[in-house]
Amino acid sequence: DAKTTQPTSMDCAEGRAANLPCNHSTISGNEYVYWYRQIHSQGPQYIIHGLKNNETNEMASLIITEDRKSSTLILPHATLRDTAVYYCIVRVYSGNTGKLIFGQGTTLQVKP
Amino acid sequence: GAGVSQSPSNKVTEKGKDVELRCDPISGHTALYWYRQRLGQGLEFLIYFQGNSAPDKSGLPSDRFSAERTGESVSTLTIQRTQQEDSAVYLCASSPGLDQETQYFGPGTRLLVL
Repeated sequence: DAKTTQPTSMDCAEGRAANLPCNHSTISGNEYVYWYRQIHSQGPQYIIHGLKNNETNEMASLIITEDRKSSTLILPHATLRDTAVYYCIVRVYSGNTGKLIFGQGTTLQVKP
Repeated sequence: GAGVSQSPSNKVTEKGKDVELRCDPISGHTALYWYRQRLGQGLEFLIYFQGNSAPDKSGLPSDRFSAERTGESVSTLTIQRTQQEDSAVYLCASSPGLDQETQYFGPGTRLLVL
């Protein structure tokens, strides 16, 4: 699975949009981009995933560049409860294993 | 509906003792995963089950670690002769077993080896 690079930490003001970048320059054509987050002392929570097109759900939006070498997770109106570690993961389902390879993620601190 | 559950939520044991950690996946999910997270670190993959078989055990750190799954449901992760470096949160996740599916995580078991 391709390696991802994320900033170690970011701050965001409450009510503002949080834009979390991720670089995945070695992504393959059949690898998806997944985002999970982990709030302190909890298990990771799925947020969103995509292949080529931009995606939106009730939690966030995912913007993938045309060359697919980077993406941005957007939380449109961050709240204090969005403070968490955000993991960008790229993976392909190999048919034998769907394991997720977690990096260090981005620690997002939402401030009042 | 019920999510992934794990027990115990916390476990303190002495070095050299064996421990068993349990995971109850979401009903009907055929895929089950175990991960480990040391303090301040990211998640490390341990083992993956599809049904009751384990096609990927590549993450198990040593032969002291083993896991089984029965009835395509409950899974048990066993650590024999625990060491202090085994202290971590052990997380279980399940998914329906289809391509590109979402993994749903449990709350984890916090293991402390004294």
